[in-house]
Amino acid sequence: DIQMTQSPSSLSASLGDRVTITCRASQGIRNSLAWYQQKPGKAPNLLLSSKSGLESGVPSRFSGSGSGTDHTLTISSLQPEDFATYYCQQYDTTPYTFGQGTKLEIK
Amino acid sequence: EVQLVQSGTEVKKPGESLRISCKTSGYYFTNYWISWVRQMPGRGLEWMGRIDPSDSYADYSPSFQGHVTLSVDRSLNTAYLQWASLKAADSAVYYCAKAYGYEDFFDQWGQGTLVTVSS
Repeated sequence: DIQMTQSPSSLSASLGDRVTITCRASQGIRNSLAWYQQKPGKAPNLLLSSKSGLESGVPSRFSGSGSGTDHTLTISSLQPEDFATYYCQQYDTTPYTFGQGTKLEIK
Repeated sequence: EVQLVQSGTEVKKPGESLRISCKTSGYYFTNYWISWVRQMPGRGLEWMGRIDPSDSYADYSPSFQGHVTLSVDRSLNTAYLQWASLKAADSAVYYCAKAYGYEDFFDQWGQGTLVTVSS
């Protein structure tokens, strides 16, 4: 299985901050990576994928970059609704795998 | 509007069987794979497997192979996840998720079904 390692596992930040979350795959995933946001008690919500870009309706302060095994999710200016847990997912090879999650909390 | 609506909370005993459902609407059901994702309490997301609704071909994660079965009913536009014999370790929230298209990330999710297995 391809292992997805996210860092950091938790992050405290303030409104307006720029934050970056990193996801590293244990082997090449041919740019097949997606990012999700999950709020407590809710289903995950697709933010973007490396191949198709930002999902419709997702604010432009979210962006993704990367290639090969290393990918990042950046939030340019944190808003109150952004405090949540974020997951990366590789969909290059089954079994598809998720990172362990990054919990973004208010400082 | 695309919707995936899952069946409600289940409380079962170890050894019992269970089938939960994911009723879809708003798109051509047979055109997009459906995956199932487990989230144990306080934990992350685990991909369990996927099914092609057009022919019911299923592809399982080795971690779940042999313990769960995926199926669909094309007449009802509904996907199912079932267990023949539940264990306490199956207690979790289970999500169904629709593939984006030719790319197998998930653009729509069900609301989740909480399964509690306890004697």
